[in-house]
Amino acid sequence: DAGVTQTPRHEVAEKGQTIILKCEPVSGHNDLFWYRQTKIQGLELLSYFRSKSLMEDGGAFKDRFKAEMLNSSFSTLKIQPTEPKDSAVYLCASSLVGGRSEQFFGPGTRLTVL
Amino acid sequence: GDSVTQTEGQVALSEEDFLTIHCNYSASGYPALFWYVQYPGEGPQFLFRASRDKEKGSSRGFEATYDKGTTSFHLRKASVQESDSAVYYCALGDQGSAGNKLTFGIGTRVLVRP
Repeated sequence: DAGVTQTPRHEVAEKGQTIILKCEPVSGHNDLFWYRQTKIQGLELLSYFRSKSLMEDGGAFKDRFKAEMLNSSFSTLKIQPTEPKDSAVYLCASSLVGGRSEQFFGPGTRLTVL
Repeated sequence: GDSVTQTEGQVALSEEDFLTIHCNYSASGYPALFWYVQYPGEGPQFLFRASRDKEKGSSRGFEATYDKGTTSFHLRKASVQESDSAVYYCALGDQGSAGNKLTFGIGTRVLVRP
């Protein structure tokens, strides 16, 4: 079975640009998560969807970050406008519904904002 | 809110050394506890989980025992190899939503010298 797919793997943006990151979860998984990973903060949850419904939208990230699930097999994370402090690795993960299931992560998108 | 504290920074070892990474949690009830491992250029991978007091999780020679009394889930491996060099994350499962949201520790980098 295919794992979680993320595209692009690398993205370079100028300050103020709009970028869209994409994620395809594991087939059959209904929970989808977006994280930001940095050396200082570690893994921070940006958004959490269950069956395409937004369950949690990380408070600190609401103003410029918007995640959507267009269908059960595709999600996007839009950052608008980008700032240099957004430079990080953005990870997507999915899991089966049901408590205590593990999350499966994609390889991540490394974003650099100049 | 729920939180996880784990050994910070980097742990440097030689092959065949014994590895311990401390993980303590703060939460009520019996949250599921997880260990994940992340290799360079990849997303975190699930190692194992435990869901109740005294339950032991294990995988690939790593193990950890859920201890409600000390609120701990320390990761141990008796004899590390160079291929174990990676970042290890302890994580705590959310109980309230019955979903699979995780709270991650800051991560511990393990460097094993040949």
